[in-house]
Amino acid sequence: AQKVTQAQTEISVVEKEDVTLDCVYETRDTTYYLFWYKQPPSGELVFLIRRNSFDEQNEISGRYSWNFQKSTSSFNFTITASQVVDSAVYFCALHNTDKLIFGTGTRLQVFP
Amino acid sequence: EAGVTQFPSHSVIEKGQTVTLRCDPISGHDNLYWYRRVMGKEIKFLLHFVKESKQDESGMPNNRFLAERTGGTYSTLKVQPAELEDSGVYFCASSQDSWGQSPLHFGNGTRLTVT
Repeated sequence: AQKVTQAQTEISVVEKEDVTLDCVYETRDTTYYLFWYKQPPSGELVFLIRRNSFDEQNEISGRYSWNFQKSTSSFNFTITASQVVDSAVYFCALHNTDKLIFGTGTRLQVFP
Repeated sequence: EAGVTQFPSHSVIEKGQTVTLRCDPISGHDNLYWYRRVMGKEIKFLLHFVKESKQDESGMPNNRFLAERTGGTYSTLKVQPAELEDSGVYFCASSQDSWGQSPLHFGNGTRLTVT
């Protein structure tokens, strides 16, 4: 079965704290893609990153970093020195055949 | 480049009424998708168009939902008659390819409330 689990429903942090959002996936495919999307209060889904299953290198983009571990089927997302503008719902997704399978999302609230 | 646009942004209708949602994908994107998020749950796939053809409609909940993409440009999703459980946010997305090489670009969604 293809499935994405985001066990953390909601996380609250104070500004400047680091925070990690967990994502665990299940798939029988050997080739697949993983994604993270951000949904700010305005509602749109904003693409953050795509990772293919053959590339296990971690990626850093500014304050954002992603840790892909095939051995544990995890694709975790860390925000360093969080800011109030990071408050949003974050979705992890697995690309399966022609569609995305999403997790239930993690709501991140960053307080000043 | 204009993004994916959806209309309306909100719709409140009574049970039994009909609602039509519209999606304009990014120009040149052959792949168009509809997804839905029911309150607090995951975003679920509804269907996928390649140009004007339905590639995969396995996620459509029942025959009260009808999606069209005439001419391979914009798409509409009609719910007739609407039921209470149809409430949620309906997202449209488009992409250049369908195998994950390019990301899906999502619209702002249409929040549908059925009372």
